[in-house]
Amino acid sequence: ELKVEQNPLFLSMQEGKNYTIYCNYSTTSDRLYWYRQDPGKSLESLFVLLSNGAVKQEGRLMASLDTKARLSTLHITAAVHDLSATYFCAVDSGQGGGADGLTFGKGTHLIIQP
Amino acid sequence: KAGVTQTPRYLIKTRGQQVTLSCSPISGHRSVSWYQQTPGQGLQFLFEYFSETQRNKGNFPGRFSGRQFSNSRSEMNVSTLELGDSALYLCASSWQAGDTQYFGPGTRLTVL
Repeated sequence: ELKVEQNPLFLSMQEGKNYTIYCNYSTTSDRLYWYRQDPGKSLESLFVLLSNGAVKQEGRLMASLDTKARLSTLHITAAVHDLSATYFCAVDSGQGGGADGLTFGKGTHLIIQP
Repeated sequence: KAGVTQTPRYLIKTRGQQVTLSCSPISGHRSVSWYQQTPGQGLQFLFEYFSETQRNKGNFPGRFSGRQFSNSRSEMNVSTLELGDSALYLCASSWQAGDTQYFGPGTRLTVL
């Protein structure tokens, strides 16, 4: 059974600081996704990582994937208040032809304070 | 391009009733997946449909069912509602299974 673990689950940080969210998964995966969820809203797709060593960046967020370590990171650079949200990583095992559904981590609740 | 739409957005039911939720995927997307989100269990995969066929199902009881129509729209049904079924139900669509899934706004179901 595929397990996805995120840490930390809760993070309070100050604007201007850097931090990293970690996502470990238990079995081989073809694809890893990062999503953002604002309170009371749905999930917004941030990144999809498809291969070992993949790195994607959008603004102050950068995601990377190490398939050998089964680890993905989401790095936040010079945080701003607008990045406050819950961040989820999700893994698609891809073993069923891509029809296995996504397995999500529990999410990292990020609060960025002025 | 319109996003994924879900109706209704909010629903209140009582135990023992049944409910049907609807999802319209992004135009051209043929894969529709459903997820349940609760504070305790987080986001859990319910099932995935592609070309009107259920291709996979998560670990949920048979009270949870769904279907997909020829226009890719999907419905999910929950029969004999229980208090624990209170959740946000999210629908996601993708071009095909394995592609990035785009989520709808969700239907918040409250069971009293």
